[in-house]
Amino acid sequence: SQQGEEDPQALSIQEGENATMNCSYKTSINNLQWYRQNSGRGLVHLILIRSNEREKHSGRLRVTLDTSKKSSSLLITASRAADTASYFCATVTGGGNKLTFGTGTQLKVEL
Amino acid sequence: DAGVTQSPTHLIKTRGQQVTLRCSPKSGHDTVSWYQQALGQGPQFIFQYYEEEERQRGNFPDRFSGHQFPNYSSELNVNALLLGDSALYLCASSWGGARGTEAFFGQGTRLTVV
Repeated sequence: SQQGEEDPQALSIQEGENATMNCSYKTSINNLQWYRQNSGRGLVHLILIRSNEREKHSGRLRVTLDTSKKSSSLLITASRAADTASYFCATVTGGGNKLTFGTGTQLKVEL
Repeated sequence: DAGVTQSPTHLIKTRGQQVTLRCSPKSGHDTVSWYQQALGQGPQFIFQYYEEEERQRGNFPDRFSGHQFPNYSSELNVNALLLGDSALYLCASSWGGARGTEAFFGQGTRLTVV
C-alpha cells in the first residue's frame, strides 16, 4: 500500500521558474527521502531528511519536513528542462531500510 | 565503480510461466531490496535480503520469492505469472549496517506477461 500522497499529481512550469511538490504520509517515520525517475527507468536518490530535521538543502533542492502535519515539500529552484521527470517521496519507518513510496508528481519543465 | 545492475532489461513471458530476474548491488553494499512498479504508480516493496536472509517482506503472495548469494547479488523469482504481474521490477541496494540510508536503484527490468 502507498504510505503517502504527492500533490500535485502533475505540474507544468516554464524553465527558470520554481517547482514545489508536496508529500503527505500517514505514520511516524524514521526519515523521508525524495527520488527522481526519468521515463519509467531507475530512481535516483535526491535528498534524505531525518525525523528530527526540519529543513535540508542540496544544490537547487530544498526539502522541508513537518512531522506534526506528517508532510514534506520539495522545492526545485530555477528549474531546467532536464528536471522534467517524476518525483517520489518515500518514507522509512522503524529500524529497517524498506522504502514506502508515494504516488509521485510528474514535473514538466518547458523551454 | 559500477552501480546497481539488473538483467534482463526487458522480458516477455506467457501467463502461467515462471521468471527469474537478477540484480548485482553497488560495490560495498550488502543489502538488496526488490520493488514492483505498475504503470503510473509508485514502487511497491516486495522484499529485502541481508546476509542471505529475507529480512523484510511486503504484501506480495508466495509466488514471489527471492535469494541472495554470498557475493550479495540477488534473484527475484515469480511463479505462475499473471497478467497483473506486468510491471517494472526495480532492485535497490544499500548498506545494511546503517539502517535508513539512501538506496541506489538499478534501471529495472520491464516484465510483460501476455
